[in-house]
Amino acid sequence: GAVVSQHPSWVICKSGTSVKIECRSLDFQATTMFWYRQFPKQSLMLMATSNEGSKATYEQGVEKDKFLINHASLTLSTLTVTSAHPEDSSFYICSAQKGQAGANVLTFGAGSRLTVL
Amino acid sequence: GENVEQHPSTLSVQEGDSAVIKCTYSDSASNYFPWYKQELGKGPQLIIDIRSNVGEKKDQRIAVTLNKTAKHFSLHITETQPEDSAVYFCAARALYNQGGKLIFGQGTELSVKP
Repeated sequence: GAVVSQHPSWVICKSGTSVKIECRSLDFQATTMFWYRQFPKQSLMLMATSNEGSKATYEQGVEKDKFLINHASLTLSTLTVTSAHPEDSSFYICSAQKGQAGANVLTFGAGSRLTVL
Repeated sequence: GENVEQHPSTLSVQEGDSAVIKCTYSDSASNYFPWYKQELGKGPQLIIDIRSNVGEKKDQRIAVTLNKTAKHFSLHITETQPEDSAVYFCAARALYNQGGKLIFGQGTELSVKP
């Protein structure tokens, strides 16, 4: 089956620092990856759509300079939270799509919990 | 854009009883409706999905029904077990439109009491 790995699974950082989260599709090539954010007891909110070789498409209200997304290869997308602040503390989850939009399901990673002190 | 509403937000049942979670969607272009189970501190796991050309799908104790006219779909879990306790999310996606974004409902916290 399709497996998506996220790293790190949890990270604690100081306010003002930047944190990078990796999302890898282990056994398939992902033309598109999606990044979600989830606060405690809430739903998954789509942040951006990441397409290999092109700029990410951000959802309304998501600061693209704050949340940098790079999809440099068909198996790796990264999310960098720049100048992190306590309000950025959240659970970040990626998902990867195998093939084109008309095909198949999305596979989710296990999530990365970010705590900004 | 798509909007997905999910009810109830919490659901408590006795072991062995059935559980039903309902969702409505707004975008008639949506044609793919998955359900996810999320355990604490983990990513969502797909448990069942349905496409708009089908009205019902079943997989052992889990079933999903879809009413395209009314734009609603439901998850049915029969013979519930304590390990079914988790948060369940419905979602909707237009596979060929809008970049294929998957939009989630608000979630239902299911508690199965032994």
